[in-house]
Amino acid sequence: TQLLEQSPQFLSIQEGENLTVYCNSSSVFSSLQWYRQEPGEGPVLLVTVVTGGEVKKLKRLTFQFGDARKDSSLHITAAQPGDTGLYLCAGRGGSQGNLIFGKGTKLSVKP
Amino acid sequence: KAGVTQTPRYLIKTRGQQVTLSCSPISGHRSVSWYQQTPGQGLQFLFEYFSETQRNKGNFPGRFSGRQFSNSRSEMNVSTLELGDSALYLCASSLGTGGMNTEAFFGQGTRLTVV
Repeated sequence: TQLLEQSPQFLSIQEGENLTVYCNSSSVFSSLQWYRQEPGEGPVLLVTVVTGGEVKKLKRLTFQFGDARKDSSLHITAAQPGDTGLYLCAGRGGSQGNLIFGKGTKLSVKP
Repeated sequence: KAGVTQTPRYLIKTRGQQVTLSCSPISGHRSVSWYQQTPGQGLQFLFEYFSETQRNKGNFPGRFSGRQFSNSRSEMNVSTLELGDSALYLCASSLGTGGMNTEAFFGQGTRLTVV
């Protein structure tokens, strides 16, 4: 069974700080996606990484896919209260390629 | 372009009842997947439909079922509701399915509470 482990589970920081969250697996994924979810809403897709070693930037967010395509990280620079939410990583796995999700990192950015 | 629409947004049901949730995917998307989200278990895959056929199924009991119509709209049904079925049910639509590495777009979810 392919699993995605996310760490840390919870993160509470002050506005302006930097942070990194991790998504790790013992399995290889053909691609990984990152989502942000706000309470009571569905996850919103932030980025998809496909190539091992790939780095993608989305304003203050930097996403990296590991060389072996087993792990990924999300780095946020100068966090803002609007970054608060649940960050989920997901990869296509299983015998028929359904999306498998990590349990997420709950980020709280205090003003 | 309209997003994924799930109805209803909120639902309260009694143990033993059944419930049907609806999902309208993004226009042109033919794949619909359903997930159950709870605080303890996170997002768990229920099933995926593509062109009216169930392509994949997660590890949920037979009380959970679904279907997809010719216009790609999908419904999921839960029979004989249990307290543990209380969760946020999310629907996601994609252009394709499986190994096509297609991105999933989620609806706002249906919050089901079983009392």
